[in-house]
Amino acid sequence: EVQLLESGGGLVKPGGSLRLSCAASGFTFSDFSMNWVRQAPGKGLEWVSSIYSSGSDIYYADSVKGRFTISRDNAQNSLYLQMNSLRADDTAVYYCVRDNGGGDYAYEFDYWGQGTPVIVSS
Amino acid sequence: DIQMTQSPSSLSASVGDRVTMTCRASQRISNHLNWYQQKPGKAPKLLIYAASTLQTGVPSRFSGSGSGTDFTLTISSLQPEDSGTYYCQQSYSTPGFGQGTKLDIK
Repeated sequence: EVQLLESGGGLVKPGGSLRLSCAASGFTFSDFSMNWVRQAPGKGLEWVSSIYSSGSDIYYADSVKGRFTISRDNAQNSLYLQMNSLRADDTAVYYCVRDNGGGDYAYEFDYWGQGTPVIVSS
Repeated sequence: DIQMTQSPSSLSASVGDRVTMTCRASQRISNHLNWYQQKPGKAPKLLIYAASTLQTGVPSRFSGSGSGTDFTLTISSLQPEDSGTYYCQQSYSTPGFGQGTKLDIK
């Protein structure tokens, strides 16, 4: 059974940093591209970042470019999101999401974690 | 960026009804369109990918159609468990979601 378990969310002051983690199991992690998608309270879904299966190719939404860094450790079956210079509008539930395209980008999000909340407030 | 617009923003229907919702892309995206269902407090669930391919395990009452800029999600016979918010998402370029259609059961 595919499982994605996020951790690392919490309350942080504006300008602060957080590192989210996602532990993957039930599939060969190194065979799949992975993503972070967020959802602000009462709002819709927003794609944040994608990383290729090997980690060799990365994309970011303009809203987080230069502040967030996605990474992965295929030996540890883990995905990460380092978030710096956090702002109030980064407040959201952050989901770890698998890409259906195998090693390539299909941007078809077939498995989602339960989400971890990030609250940016003074 | 490609903008995705869903309509209606909300709708209410009865059990057994045929329900249709639409998604329009700001430029042609071929069949690179996916649909998700989200229930309150839960993660989204992939229903349909590549505009019309049903994800494994999704009931056959769900179907998708369209190509280019205009797409449709249809529920052929609405069931009580189908309430929730439905999002379209383009996978033609870096991903973008529509604003959602909230479906209530009368």
